[in-house]
Amino acid sequence: AQKITQTQPGMFVQEKEAVTLDCTYDTSDPSYGLFWYKQPSSGEMIFLIYQGSYDQQNATEGRYSLNFQKARKSANLVISASQLGDSAMYFCAMREGAGRRALTFGSGTRLQVQP
Amino acid sequence: DAGVIQSPRHEVTEMGQEVTLRCKPISGHNSLFWYRQTMMRGLELLIYFNNNVPIDDSGMPEDRFSAKMPNASFSTLKIQPSEPRDSAVYFCASSRTANTEAFFGQGTRLTVV
Repeated sequence: AQKITQTQPGMFVQEKEAVTLDCTYDTSDPSYGLFWYKQPSSGEMIFLIYQGSYDQQNATEGRYSLNFQKARKSANLVISASQLGDSAMYFCAMREGAGRRALTFGSGTRLQVQP
Repeated sequence: DAGVIQSPRHEVTEMGQEVTLRCKPISGHNSLFWYRQTMMRGLELLIYFNNNVPIDDSGMPEDRFSAKMPNASFSTLKIQPSEPRDSAVYFCASSRTANTEAFFGQGTRLTVV
């Protein structure tokens, strides 16, 4: 079974609008972390935001926020006020078992921000 | 602070040759990961070290692949003999603790012809 599912292969958004990138996960471990990474066309992997399974509040980092719905096992990334530089691949990832396992990545969503 | 450093950035080699990829994690990080990225298979974990000890090598494709971490500041991924299907971008990443984010190197783009 897929550990991380990203159902949107591609998304378009207008500049300055908000966009939500979906991520659902599958684990039976009570301790886990959820991560989002950005991969621009240049190829590097850039860490964006982290949410721990025991965190009570949704994580936020600048224009990025994570809509964490534990019961639904979803961890959607919300990007507010999209910029042209946000165009990239976005990967959701999970780390289970208090670090006993490595990061598992989803298949990614390609976001294109249109002027 | 320098990030994760990988070398070489690009490698083109002939089928059958040995390839060695190198990684220097961020100082003080105790977890190190090797990932492979291809269009077909996405990002796949190859091996995960914690405190220099391999914890999970279930992603290593076959015996042609081997990885070592002789100390906290250096790791290698070796492919011998290389095959065209090994062509991919290989990423090394490190994290400070078991529960913190991983920082990635720039990757090594390997082409086996």
